[in-house]
Amino acid sequence: GQNIDQPTEMTATEGAIVQINCTYQTSGFNGLFWYQQHAGEAPTFLSYNVLDGLEEKGRFSSFLSRSKGYSYLLLKELQMKDSASYLCAAVDSNYQLIWGAGTKLIIKP
Amino acid sequence: GAVVSQHPSWVICKSGTSVKIECRSLDFQATTMFWYRQFPKQSLMLMATSNEGSKATYEQGVEKDKFLINHASLTLSTLTVTSAHPEDSSFYICSAREEREQYFGPGTRLTVT
Repeated sequence: GQNIDQPTEMTATEGAIVQINCTYQTSGFNGLFWYQQHAGEAPTFLSYNVLDGLEEKGRFSSFLSRSKGYSYLLLKELQMKDSASYLCAAVDSNYQLIWGAGTKLIIKP
Repeated sequence: GAVVSQHPSWVICKSGTSVKIECRSLDFQATTMFWYRQFPKQSLMLMATSNEGSKATYEQGVEKDKFLINHASLTLSTLTVTSAHPEDSSFYICSAREEREQYFGPGTRLTVT
């Protein structure tokens, strides 16, 4: 079956760095998305990786290893507004998104 | 980036009535649109996938006669919740695909009293 695993909850300190991991098993693979979702709002796009390696976008970076079925989202210089759920979603062979349950990130001052 | 809109953003209705939610891709043509439902503290759950001009494909466990989806054009899809009940209260989010990117609408919060 298809499966996405990510931690349920993480806590970090303002100004620090946090890495949110995601492992996936899908029927075929056409990339992996990371989304940020604040409570009561729709997800917003953060990154899309289809090739191995690290992609950096400002304070956020996303890494993919296709051979390991593994990705992580790295958040630097954490701000209080980064408190949100972070959703990992893999794209299968039919271009359907397979969603993880999301990681709730709590930022403490 | 591409924009997807939903209307209404919030709706309260009485049990037994029907509610229609619109999803529009504003600056691109979406051959495929997706409807998701999200209950509090849970991940998004795909309800159905619709391609313009054809019948929607529903996920297992989603009643197609209750959740009517019409993808009438490349920029508009509608979800109608028929004979709504309190257990249908949820956050409904549409998404539209442009090539390999997928963009989300802001969501519609449905409360059935």
